[in-house]
Amino acid sequence: DAGVIQSPRHEVTEMGQEVTLRCKPISGHNSLFWYRQTMMRGLELLIYFNNNVPIDDSGMPEDRFSAKMPNASFSTLKIQPSEPRDSAVYFCASSGQGWTHTDTQYFGPGTRLTVL
Amino acid sequence: AQSVAQPEDQVNVAEGNPLTVKCTYSVSGNPYLFWYVQYPNRGLQFLLKYITGDNLVKGSYGFEAEFNKSQTSFHLKKPSALVSDSALYFCAVRGNDYKLSFGAGTTVTVRA
Repeated sequence: DAGVIQSPRHEVTEMGQEVTLRCKPISGHNSLFWYRQTMMRGLELLIYFNNNVPIDDSGMPEDRFSAKMPNASFSTLKIQPSEPRDSAVYFCASSGQGWTHTDTQYFGPGTRLTVL
Repeated sequence: AQSVAQPEDQVNVAEGNPLTVKCTYSVSGNPYLFWYVQYPNRGLQFLLKYITGDNLVKGSYGFEAEFNKSQTSFHLKKPSALVSDSALYFCAVRGNDYKLSFGAGTTVTVRA
């Protein structure tokens, strides 16, 4: 299995530009999570999808952030407009069934975003 | 609310010596506990988890963890550390919902 795939691995952009991060979960998994990692705040859950439906987006910082999951094999996280404080590593993770307490989340390699 | 504390920011050990990374948790209901490892510029890799049953859980790369309900702890251990074990380690807990709460992480350095 290829694991969770994320693209791009690195993104450098200028303030005000739109940024789109992409994720392909593990085949057969029906739960998908987006996290952000920073030195100051550690790992933060941004949004959680189950069966392609957003279940909890309370972690999304503000309206500039949006996420979609049009099908079971693809999700995007978009930031528009981007700001320097959005600079972080963004991880996507998937699991078999998010509802199951015992389920393990498997993480992608992350996208390192730098907003100048 | 659920939370995880990793009381040590850094752990330094010599190769061949035992390695312990500490974790304590707070959660309502039964705890489901996880350890992940992160190597530089990589994603988090799953090491092991405790769901129920035997308090000693064995995982990948020779790691194990001991669940202690009375002390609300889930410490990660390896009997003989390798230089390649140098990485950032995260403990995580899940309670009665889907949310996984992570600790701040512990940087492990194993010197040759």
